[in-house]
Amino acid sequence: KAGVTQTPRYLIKTRGQQVTLSCSPISGHRSVSWYQQTPGQGLQFLFEYFSETQRNKGNFPGRFSGRQFSNSRSEMNVSTLELGDSALYLCASSLWRSGHGLDYGYTFGSGTRLTVV
Amino acid sequence: QKEVEQNSGPLSVPEGAIASLNCTYSDRGSQSFFWYRQYSGKSPELIMFIYSNGDKEDGRFTAQLNKASQYVSLLIRDSQPSDSATYLCAVLGSGSARQLTFGSGTQLTVLP
Repeated sequence: KAGVTQTPRYLIKTRGQQVTLSCSPISGHRSVSWYQQTPGQGLQFLFEYFSETQRNKGNFPGRFSGRQFSNSRSEMNVSTLELGDSALYLCASSLWRSGHGLDYGYTFGSGTRLTVV
Repeated sequence: QKEVEQNSGPLSVPEGAIASLNCTYSDRGSQSFFWYRQYSGKSPELIMFIYSNGDKEDGRFTAQLNKASQYVSLLIRDSQPSDSATYLCAVLGSGSARQLTFGSGTQLTVLP
């Protein structure tokens, strides 16, 4: 069974540019979440999508946006990049059944390491 | 601000010993709790999840949950050098807000 696939693995961008990251969840998983990981702040929640709808958003500026497609693949966009956006961006998918009441955890992809120079 | 706190590290244990990792959380309505292991330069890997008060065992790992005390722990028995990693406690928020909040992690080193 294929895991969560994130592309690209590494990116180097210049301040002011924009970037789009892609995530393909595990087959059958309809919930996709995005996290930012930095040495100083740890893992911080960006947003979560389920069935093409953003269900929750973390405390990040509007420069950070995302979307989910009908096949559950998700993209995350960061506009007007700042040096502080350098981080490991992680996507995680989850098997979530409405009303099921239990959650089997999130499976993370390998991440995209973004460096802003 | 919903918080997840982990015992400060780093933690070093000799090979074969029991490693004990602790976590407290502030959202009393939380129902799902997870332990992730993250090796340096890698992404987090789910090793345990627990929903009910008490203990849950899986091989050398035991997760313990006490909702009244808002406390989750992970015990690693017969620790091996390959267990050396950062362990992250994560709590799923209550209600429809499916936000996984992570602790800052505890770095574990198992000494041969």
